Amino acid sequence: QSALTQPRSVSGSPGQSVTISCTGTSSDVGGYAYVSWYQQHPDKAPKLMLYDVSKRPSGVPDRFSGSKSGNTASLTISGLQAEDEADYYCCSYAGSYTFGVFGTGTRVTVL
Amino acid sequence: EVQLVESGGGLVKPGGSLRLSCAASGFTFSNAWMSWVRQAPGEGLEWVGRSKSKTDGGTTDYTAPVKGRFTISRDDSKNTLYLEMNSLKTEDTAVYYCTTVARWNWYFDLWGRGTLVTVSS
Repeated sequence: QSALTQPRSVSGSPGQSVTISCTGTSSDVGGYAYVSWYQQHPDKAPKLMLYDVSKRPSGVPDRFSGSKSGNTASLTISGLQAEDEADYYCCSYAGSYTFGVFGTGTRVTVL
Repeated sequence: EVQLVESGGGLVKPGGSLRLSCAASGFTFSNAWMSWVRQAPGEGLEWVGRSKSKTDGGTTDYTAPVKGRFTISRDDSKNTLYLEMNSLKTEDTAVYYCTTVARWNWYFDLWGRGTLVTVSS
């Protein structure tokens, strides 16, 4: 099972919006509504930001939103802030044999 | 406080073995489905395996690269999850995170800080 494809990096100025794509196949992203997103600051553990494509856990700002179309899921950060600078990973359920697959990761830089 | 604390990482030679532990607190561990996720240095995240709660069958599942070499177990009386790693390879070098995993929706909501395993001669 190959990793889901994400852009290596995206960047934006404070206050702007950025969108990170996560492309898989009909066996993972396209086949299930179980896409989640994780934020990871340097030398820290990942943190859950979205689950079930677009649901936010308690405490995650509503600046973070998610969507899915076909085999591609997306994470949008609106009103970019300095603390949003981090690596972001998507993850999708991929069936009862492979189970879960992560994305390649995207570095978000706040200019 | 709700937390997961991993321990047991270190340096091991190729072909060797190591056991990681994950101490859970602040939630009902016996009801939780637990998982291990690893991250090689400078690389992305990789799911390693999962342990269902005993009430949900207590079974385990693994990613293909570790199947037959790694074993996940749990001691609900000690609120502790384990990862027994045998026949270690250099490509198993990574930070290993203990996480809780949603039963059916496949997301990892609580993470430990991780423990580093280095496989090198």
